[in-house]
Amino acid sequence: GAVVSQHPSWVICKSGTSVKIECRSLDFQATTMFWYRQFPKQSLMLMATSNEGSKATYEQGVEKDKFLINHASLTLSTLTVTSAHPEDSSFYICSVPTDNTEAFFGQGTRLTVV
Amino acid sequence: GENVEQHPSTLSVQEGDSAVIKCTYSDSASNYFPWYKQELGKRPQLIIDIRSNVGEKKDQRIAVTLNKTAKHFSLHITETQPEDSAVYFCAASIGTGTASKLTFGTGTRLQVTL
Repeated sequence: GAVVSQHPSWVICKSGTSVKIECRSLDFQATTMFWYRQFPKQSLMLMATSNEGSKATYEQGVEKDKFLINHASLTLSTLTVTSAHPEDSSFYICSVPTDNTEAFFGQGTRLTVV
Repeated sequence: GENVEQHPSTLSVQEGDSAVIKCTYSDSASNYFPWYKQELGKRPQLIIDIRSNVGEKKDQRIAVTLNKTAKHFSLHITETQPEDSAVYFCAASIGTGTASKLTFGTGTRLQVTL
């Protein structure tokens, strides 16, 4: 399997500021990572696919300029929520798919924008 | 793209009874079907998965069945216990290994009562 560490676990920020969330694959070289958003009592919605060394692939309806993804190494992908607004408040979670297709998730980050 | 439907949205059973959650998928190319358990504010945890070349899989009190013709799969939990209370998500993915992308169902909130 893979051990995935996500940081921070929660963050509160002011409206208009940016927040960076880190997703680390501790024991698996991750060429691909996925970023999801989960609103309360809802399912996990895929936001984007983070690709090591290249641009991320965004799902339809997800603004790439608002949700910046960087995957500069095989162990780290970052998601930056730029100019955050209250409607961006959500649970953000990353996952690392492994060679046998099984995916492992980070702990998630609860973002609250005030 | 893939669409996964999940029913019921909520399920209440008495301790010791069985619980069944059903999912259907739209893309016949999907070949991997995991089930996740998520407790409030926590990461999804894989509890069982099944691949398209298998019709049924069992792990102690948990079993999953897959009907490729009908494009549906089900989770069966027997002898339910209070600690089984959580939200359960089914998912489906196309592709293999690190290229696979999961599409999640809408979730089932399972409540096991004493």
